[in-house]
Amino acid sequence: DAGVIQSPRHEVTEMGQEVTLRCKLISGHNSLFWYRQTMMRGLELLIYFNNNVPIDDSGMPEDRFSAKMPNASFSTLKIQPSEPRDSAVYFCASSLQGMNTEAFFGQGTRLTVV
Amino acid sequence: AQKVTQAQTEISVVEKEDVTLDCVYETRDTTYYLFWYKQPPSGELVFLIRRNSFDEQNEISGRYSWNFQKSTSSFNFTITASQVVDSAVYFCALKVWTTSGTYKYIFGTGTRLKVLA
Repeated sequence: DAGVIQSPRHEVTEMGQEVTLRCKLISGHNSLFWYRQTMMRGLELLIYFNNNVPIDDSGMPEDRFSAKMPNASFSTLKIQPSEPRDSAVYFCASSLQGMNTEAFFGQGTRLTVV
Repeated sequence: AQKVTQAQTEISVVEKEDVTLDCVYETRDTTYYLFWYKQPPSGELVFLIRRNSFDEQNEISGRYSWNFQKSTSSFNFTITASQVVDSAVYFCALKVWTTSGTYKYIFGTGTRLKVLA
């Protein structure tokens, strides 16, 4: 398996524009996590899904952020409208359900909002 | 509260020195898992090790070793004879059961290790 695949790797957009980040899970994994990494706040959990169902979105900063899992292998994180403070590296990670399983991370999307 | 604390923000060592990265966690759960991840300059987080709460046996893998002590709620990571390639940000994480009937990971803020040639 190719691992968790995120696209795009880099995104530069203007303030106010809509941004969509994409994530393809490892085949067979049923838990999906979206994280945001910044120098100031470290690695923050935004939302996570289990079997395509959002379980906890308390980490989503504002209503401008939304995430979906249209099927078992794919997820999107959308920011509309984007703001400069959204600039960060966004990671998705997938894992098998179970306490003893590790999360596998994608390479991240570096988002810059100007 | 469930929390992971990595008090060392940044550590610099000279190549071949040993270095220990500290991790202290908080949870009331009796069953949980602990993890270490490495984030090299390329950016991707790479899994290193997991340890369950019932297994306090220390583990060694090459130059890496991990010391888990429930009495002090710590899961420290030691690199022996450090190398420049060890330069990275290292994250400690706690995996716990949630009231939603699933599991989630709680990450520390990371320790940036710089190994100087």
